[in-house]
Amino acid sequence: DADVTQTPRNRITKTGKRIMLECSQTKGHDRMYWYRQDPGLGLRLIYYSFDVKDINKGEISDGYSVSRQAQAKFSLSLESAIPNQTALYFCATSEAKNDYGYTFGSGTRLTVV
Amino acid sequence: AQTVTQSQPEMSVQEAETVTLSCTYDTSESNYYLFWYKQPPSRQMILVIRQEAYKQQNATENRFSVNFQKAAKSFSLKISDSQLGDTAMYFCAFLNNRKLIWGLGTSLAVNP
Repeated sequence: DADVTQTPRNRITKTGKRIMLECSQTKGHDRMYWYRQDPGLGLRLIYYSFDVKDINKGEISDGYSVSRQAQAKFSLSLESAIPNQTALYFCATSEAKNDYGYTFGSGTRLTVV
Repeated sequence: AQTVTQSQPEMSVQEAETVTLSCTYDTSESNYYLFWYKQPPSRQMILVIRQEAYKQQNATENRFSVNFQKAAKSFSLKISDSQLGDTAMYFCAFLNNRKLIWGLGTSLAVNP
């Protein structure tokens, strides 16, 4: 089993629908992150959490919300999806010291039509 | 602001040859970490190599090595004996205030 699991792998949804992307990890890491990747724009941080009670906005949090249900689970929600939220979404985890970098899930490709 | 710049959006190399991908960054910190990640067509993000800024010795992982020039704030990745499986996007990243700052990536194609 993968260390960081994202579901679904691919999703097509309609404008205005609510959608949740889920992430779970078996690394035992405290820190979890949600990124979106767009061609030519690299990876941009949406939200991050350093422990269950700590949630922080990243650089592009508008239109998104998150929930850290447990140390191992961190979900991302789009309350009312819009087409410009079409992107590849990554969940990542890291240890508290961070100096070994991040472990990534395999991504969720979301298309909003 | 802390930034990471990858000046080569696309590169190509012949199989078995050597290629170097450039990365520069901007920081006022003295102790930090730098990373190269690989994203093949499968889209998985894979850590290739990491460098601790207080270590003068350049990091090496098999065919992958870095040229870390701290004064110049440069962190290039050298891939030796390129293989078809090295075809991927390569991202340089810098650890700042507990979060990674990313470059925009270099798309590397290894040609047979």
